Amino acid sequence: DAGITQSPRHKVTETGTPVTLRCHQTENHRYMYWYRQDPGHGLRLIHYSYGVKDTDKGEVSDGYSVSRSKTEDFLLTLESATSSQTSVYFCATLAGGSTDTQYFGPGTRLTVL
Amino acid sequence: DQQVKQNSPSLSVQEGRISILNCDYTNSMFDYFLWYKKYPAEGPTFLISISSIKDKNEDGRFTVFLNKSAKHLSLHIVPSQPGDSAVYFCAPNSGSARQLTFGSGTQLTVLP
Repeated sequence: DAGITQSPRHKVTETGTPVTLRCHQTENHRYMYWYRQDPGHGLRLIHYSYGVKDTDKGEVSDGYSVSRSKTEDFLLTLESATSSQTSVYFCATLAGGSTDTQYFGPGTRLTVL
Repeated sequence: DQQVKQNSPSLSVQEGRISILNCDYTNSMFDYFLWYKKYPAEGPTFLISISSIKDKNEDGRFTVFLNKSAKHLSLHIVPSQPGDSAVYFCAPNSGSARQLTFGSGTQLTVLP
């Protein structure tokens, strides 16, 4: 347990509106990740961060942006939400160094109508 | 192009028997392999892992086997318990940021 919280836990929004999901960690882990989970796909990496202001794209980054201005917070933004972005979003952290284990937050269920 | 495949979407076993979950991968750059367990409405939780320099790792009732030449790993749970009922994901990692690539998961149901 890496002290990861996600907010909001549930959100319903309309197509075309901007949405920001927040991930907060208390363990001072260097790496942070955003994944989405959809039926039949497992979890897929959207974006990740390897330090403050250092981010990179994952497998399914189109339509998403991220920001990390503090070690403890990693924000995921959908600039203009679409129905295809209806999903469950998970944040994860990794301490770095010799460890390879990512720890996950509880998830945010997003519905785009 | 799925780099990680879990070909059994579901598996049912009797309580007390062995559960075997399988995972195949194609990317030779994977050097560390993790298994996660997920209950509904919760985030994945780490279960067990294995480095590519090993062929077996054991932790209590859970054992993971790695066959690098076949690019195959398996998770054995013995004895299986009803509380083990969950979705299990195979997730190798790679890259300097240790990105995980998830399989599609196997729903394990342990029948009492």
